[in-house]
Amino acid sequence: GEDVEQSLFLSVREGDSSVINCTYTDSSSTYLYWYKQEPGAGLQLLTYIFSNMDMKQDQRLTVLLNKKDKHLSLRIADTQTGDSAIYFCAEPSDYKLSFGAGTTVTVRA
Amino acid sequence: NAGVTQTPKFRVLKTGQSMTLLCAQDMNHEYMYWYRQDPGMGLRLIHYSVGEGTTAKGEVPDGYNVSRLKKQNFLLGLESAAPSQTSVYFCASSYAGRLYEQYFGPGTRLTVT
Repeated sequence: GEDVEQSLFLSVREGDSSVINCTYTDSSSTYLYWYKQEPGAGLQLLTYIFSNMDMKQDQRLTVLLNKKDKHLSLRIADTQTGDSAIYFCAEPSDYKLSFGAGTTVTVRA
Repeated sequence: NAGVTQTPKFRVLKTGQSMTLLCAQDMNHEYMYWYRQDPGMGLRLIHYSVGEGTTAKGEVPDGYNVSRLKKQNFLLGLESAAPSQTSVYFCASSYAGRLYEQYFGPGTRLTVT
């Protein structure tokens, strides 16, 4: 399978921006995904980006894609306590998704 | 709609015991998946199904079996549980046309002693 990599932890002050980074390996991926897992719950699709785009903005979320470096990032503006969660980057692989290990975001007051 | 539901939510097994985890979805999705989540390892795919009556192996299928007798249900079986199978298990489903937009259940926390 493909190898998706993420840093494991991020601590951010409430009101600041969070940036979560991910690297992937399959340059032919047509879409790349971000999923969010709140404490004690399953994953929910947060957003995705089509591979022919460099950027996608959705309210407080901005996804940046650098295909040359196979780098994906998720920026959360004005981070709130409700944004505390694990964020997973995911890449399509045949009929499946390959997930990164997840970045645990902790929002401190 | 209930979405994706999983039964049970928690279970403790002794080594060598067997059990079945049930996943049900009411969205008429063709694809269903079983993952396990372990700290620092993200989600790893155990088995998946592309339709009723079909199953396929994922990354970590050893020690597990699955069945998809009805489109809405996907069962994960552990025939002889081992401590290495202590994990949180998630079921997910998706439409064939948007198969990477997966809907997840709330998870089953399994401890094998």
